[in-house]
This record gives sequence, C-alpha cells and structure tokens, in this order.
Amino acid sequence: NAGVTQTPKFQVLKTGQSMTLQCAQDMNHEYMSWYRQDPGMGLRLIHYSVGAGITDQGEVPNGYNVSRSTTEDFPLRLLSAAPSQTSVYFCASSYALGGSSSGELFFGEGSRLTVL
Amino acid sequence: EDKVVQSPLSLVVHEGDTVTLNCSYEVTNFRSLLWYKQEKKAPTFLFMLTSSGIEKKSGRLSSILDKKELFSILNITATQTGDSAIYLCAVNRRGAQKLVFGQGTRLTINP
Repeated sequence: NAGVTQTPKFQVLKTGQSMTLQCAQDMNHEYMSWYRQDPGMGLRLIHYSVGAGITDQGEVPNGYNVSRSTTEDFPLRLLSAAPSQTSVYFCASSYALGGSSSGELFFGEGSRLTVL
Repeated sequence: EDKVVQSPLSLVVHEGDTVTLNCSYEVTNFRSLLWYKQEKKAPTFLFMLTSSGIEKKSGRLSSILDKKELFSILNITATQTGDSAIYLCAVNRRGAQKLVFGQGTRLTINP
C-alpha cells in the first residue's frame, strides 16, 4: 500500500536554484494539496487541486508553482529558492473536501528542504 | 479569516498521567473538526467531529466538540511514552476545499 509518496525526502539548495518536489498517490483521490510545516506554526496550505487540470492557491502560495496534469501526480515547483522556504513540506490527498466525504487527509512522509 | 488556536503549545507529563489538549476555532460555515497525531513523519488521522457534544473514543483517546463555545478537547488517559507526539487540530469549512490547522501541541511523556 503506497498511499502518498513524496520525493526527495531531503534536499539542500542554494539561494536562487530551482527544484521540484514530487508527489504521487495511488488511491484515486481527486483532492491533493501541499503544506509547509515550520516550528510553532502548524501546517500552512501552499496550493491545492480538486482534480486534474484545476489548481488554486492556499495561504502561502508566493514562490511556489503547481500543476495537475494527472489524477495521481501533483508536483510543487520552487522557481528561485529563498532561505525563507527552508521548511518541511507535506503532500496530502483526500477523496474530496467540502463534499460529503469525511475530509480526512492522507499525508506523505514529508520532504525536508534547506535553502542556504 | 479562519483561525485555529491550540493550547498548550507544549506539555510534559509522566507516564500514567491524564492529559487534556485544547483547540479553539473561529470559522464561518463550520463543517468538521479533525485531530491528527504526528510522530516522526506524516500526521495520522485520529478523529473527525461534526456534531456538538458527541464524544469520539478510541482506546485511551477521546475527543468532544462544543459548537456553541467553538472548541474541542482531546483527552488521553493513562498516557504511555508512545503517546509522545505533536497533536494537530484542523477545521474544515462548508464549501471550502481546504483544512486550516492550528499550531499543534507537542506532548512529551516521560517514563
């Protein structure tokens, strides 16, 4: 049971470099999202998607891009990394939020990113 | 703006103690409140509450929601070292495709 798979688990970048965090789920979930977790701040929503071809911004979208070309994949792109983007990133998926489902999110194991 | 506040932010107790974690929220068109446990890696789902006054229970963990006073509590009885984790509270608003999380409570159980 793979669930939600994130890669890489760890990454160190220099300021200005670009990279993509990969997220894939095998549960046929329509809803996928990216959160970042910083000490004392809980989980903050970056971007989310309610289905292939549809994305929207969360609380802290600046500096990040996403796309959703398939139901399974939801990559997060950092075009020009900044030290403020040092964080732990979580991808999460669900059947749907706001509909008749439970709203339970299934999380990946996280990607720790350090920007020097 | 939706807001979720957890307290305390950190708690250290001895094995066998009972703990109560708090979550208060301000959200329009409330739909549900969820509790997650985060050990070393991914948060894992504990409970979802939608109706006021109904207790959800799983072993030594239980949770109740007060929709009038806009808060929820998570109780853990006879704590064990394996209960050490960050406990996260989140709310879901009707029609909104997102969960809003609180800051989390870091619980440490000492043997």
